[in-house]
Formats: sequence, C-alpha cells, structure tokens
Amino acid sequence: QSVLTQPPSASGTPGQRVTISCSGSSSNIGGNTVNWYQQLPGTAPQLLIYNNNQRPSGVPDRYSGSKSGTSASLAISGLQSEDEADYYCAAWDDILNGWVFGGGTKLTVL
Amino acid sequence: QVQLQESGPGLVKPSQTLSLTCTVSGGSVSSGTYYWNWIRQPAGKGLEWIGRMYFSGGTNYNPSLKSRVAISVDTSKNQVSLKLSSVTAADTAVYYCARRYYGSGVDAFDIWGPGTMVTVSS
Repeated sequence: QSVLTQPPSASGTPGQRVTISCSGSSSNIGGNTVNWYQQLPGTAPQLLIYNNNQRPSGVPDRYSGSKSGTSASLAISGLQSEDEADYYCAAWDDILNGWVFGGGTKLTVL
Repeated sequence: QVQLQESGPGLVKPSQTLSLTCTVSGGSVSSGTYYWNWIRQPAGKGLEWIGRMYFSGGTNYNPSLKSRVAISVDTSKNQVSLKLSSVTAADTAVYYCARRYYGSGVDAFDIWGPGTMVTVSS
C-alpha cells in the first residue's frame, strides 16, 4: 500500500494528451514539492519533473507537472510510442521523515 | 558525468544479511549538496525508499525497515553501502542506489544506478 495514490494504468493514442494523478496528504504533497520519475521497461527510473513543475535539462516540454493542495498531476502532450513507461510520483513525508512514492502508473500508447 | 554502480551477491539465504555497495564514479560522495539513497523495487511492483545517508554521517531510514537497515559511506573508496539484516523472501527486489541533489531549487533523485537484483532464497 503506497502512501501516494496513483491510478495503476493510463492510455492514449499517438498525439493525444494524457494526465496522471497523484494524491497524498498534508504531510507529504501538501507541504513539500513533488517529483516525477519515468521508468522505461527494464531500466532504472529517471527524473522527469522536479519541484512540482520543473524539467531537467533534456526532458522535452511535452512533459509538464502541476500541484494543487495535496494532489499533483503529470501531463504528457503529443503522446509518442516512446512514452510507454511506468511513471512514479514522489515527495518527502514530514511524519514518516522519509521519501514516499506512488504505486506507479503504467502508460500504454495504443 | 557522475555514475553509480551497485554490486553485491545476487542470492542471499533467509535470515542472513544482505550487503550491497554503490560505487560512485565521476564525482565525490563527500560533496555537500548530495544525500546518498537506497531504493528497492520488487518484481512488477513499485518503488520503496529504504534510507539515505549524508557523507558526514546523518542518516534517515524507512520506519518499516529501520530496525534491520544500516547505510554507511566510505569516503576513501567513494562508496555507499547498504546492509539489511534478517532477510526474508519479501526482501527480494531490484536494489537501486540513487543520488539526491539538494540545492538551487532542486530536491530530487537526479542520478540512479542501473540496479542490482537480489533474490532471497535457500
């Protein structure tokens, strides 16, 4: 049972826009920044979005993040086949005094 | 370019201690803007943060694993180590070493190792 809640799956067709939600509480998302990680099949996760909505160098602007209250979202526009991956949200939790992750969302490009 | 590489036994017997090492290349574990973390992922499941260490000695552990975990840093070898005692089959997972960068508005795991699979079985 993950501390942060994500839908287990999402899908879209090429060119579409999809969003993935991440729900938490005041001790994690509500009081701290949210990061998103992309895990391509058979590889380690890599940082996709940090500080709620910032993209590391090299991440296309098709990826965007947002946060409101105790929830966050990742949006992917202009969906491409290479976007098929698992996506995880993460935040620091002030009560657990540690990092917490969402359970992950498997994105399928139809 | 900083790279992380996990290493250690791929098979550990139940009740024994799992020991892994993360070797940092292209950078120093003693840099003040980084925490060194261990994260694991059972097959087909999500990510679980195990714990972190700052080079000067400060540690934080996942409360669910705290009684069994120890993370240490060897600055002379530029390595970060993980020890997890009294393992069971539930500890079978891919174990990742990850660098947490904290600074300039960033607070995230910006570099990950490729991971190492550890199976707990007799």
